Amino acid sequence: AQSVTQPDIHITVSEGASLELRCNYSYGATPYLFWYVQSPGQGLQLLLKYFSGDTLVQGIKGFEAEFKRSQSSFNLRKPSVHWSDAAEYFCAVGANAGNMLTFGGGTRLMVKP
Amino acid sequence: EPEVTQTPSHQVTQMGQEVILRCVPISNHLYFYWYRQILGQKVEFLVSFYNNEISEKSEIFDDQFSVERPDGSNFTLKIRSTKLEDSAMYFCASRGTSGYTGELFFGEGSRLTVL
Repeated sequence: AQSVTQPDIHITVSEGASLELRCNYSYGATPYLFWYVQSPGQGLQLLLKYFSGDTLVQGIKGFEAEFKRSQSSFNLRKPSVHWSDAAEYFCAVGANAGNMLTFGGGTRLMVKP
Repeated sequence: EPEVTQTPSHQVTQMGQEVILRCVPISNHLYFYWYRQILGQKVEFLVSFYNNEISEKSEIFDDQFSVERPDGSNFTLKIRSTKLEDSAMYFCASRGTSGYTGELFFGEGSRLTVL
């Protein structure tokens, strides 16, 4: 069965600092990997996705993620965090883009001024 | 920008009552989904729907749950007899026809509280 682990429940960073959110997955075949963000009162918004090809993928809002098959990881990064990035971030894995996505538990990001 | 809309945003109900959560997917999308998130837990897949029938469902989606697309715009989730453990945020999502790479668009969720 597929699973996703986000080891960090909460992370606090200073505005302007770099950010890395960890995601580890377990999946029997080549995974489709996703990062979603949820701001308070909002739905889940797709930040980026990996299906195949270049293991470093670029997303919206200046985020990127790197797929490392050997480590079963898909960590999310941003070089300089903005206060508006404060939100909850979810990593997800699936057999395709939609059906039966398995989500991680989420990481809540707080940004200090 | 097109969006998925859900109603109600919050519903409180008594245990044993029927609840219908409504969703209006993005107009040209053909794949529809329900996910839920119990407070403090992970977002979980419930069901997917395509071509007027369920295409996949999880173990959570038992006989108490049903989905329907009653007209060309709405997609509903019905819980026949709610239990305390059904209290959760329910997310509707839709996807276009870009094969397996099409993006899922989520609504803002409907929070269900069962007393």
